[in-house]
Amino acid sequence: GAGVSQSPRYKVAKRGQDVALRCDPISGHVSLFWYQQALGQGPEFLTYFQNEAQLDKSGLPSDRFFAERPEGSVSTLKIQRTQQEDSAVYLCASSSLTTVWETQYFGPGTRLLVL
Amino acid sequence: AQSVAQPEDQVNVAEGNPLTVKCTYSVSGNPYLFWYVQYPNRGLQFLLKYITGDNLVKGSYGFEAEFNKSQTSFHLKKPSALVSDSALYFCAVRDTLAGQNFVFGPGTRLSVLP
Repeated sequence: GAGVSQSPRYKVAKRGQDVALRCDPISGHVSLFWYQQALGQGPEFLTYFQNEAQLDKSGLPSDRFFAERPEGSVSTLKIQRTQQEDSAVYLCASSSLTTVWETQYFGPGTRLLVL
Repeated sequence: AQSVAQPEDQVNVAEGNPLTVKCTYSVSGNPYLFWYVQYPNRGLQFLLKYITGDNLVKGSYGFEAEFNKSQTSFHLKKPSALVSDSALYFCAVRDTLAGQNFVFGPGTRLSVLP
């Protein structure tokens, strides 16, 4: 079956531009997560959705970051007025249940480079 | 607060030899522990997890991990390393008293030499 997909795979933006990153989770998965992975580091949590509800956005680094999942499936992470420090790989993950022991399945990531 | 440490940035092992990638954690509640592997330009792939029960957990590709509550460790092991095991390995923890998200360690790069 299809796994988690993300698009675009690579994005180059000029400083100050807005970008939108898309995540298609595994069909039927209730939970969706966004993580940011800086070069040479482990992923860091950004935000969590259960269906269409954004239950935790404590990891979003600033109000320039915004995420939505309006119909409880596809999610979009938007970054406004990009800065060079936003350059990272953005990973999306989904899981079928909401229990804390549930495995998260990750997409390939979107590599964002802000010039 | 939850945290994960992977004390070794890099582990080198000869093909055929046993390998260990170390992980220690800190949580407030009960830990749920995971290992993921990341190949270049690819997302994280799930290897195994500890929820409860037997402290020795077996996972994909011949990997296993041992949960040690007293030492707060969850080291990843494999009896005989393959060159194809060379990749970046991440330990992650979820805390029953915290949110739904994982907290990841910084990663350990494993190089298996032929």
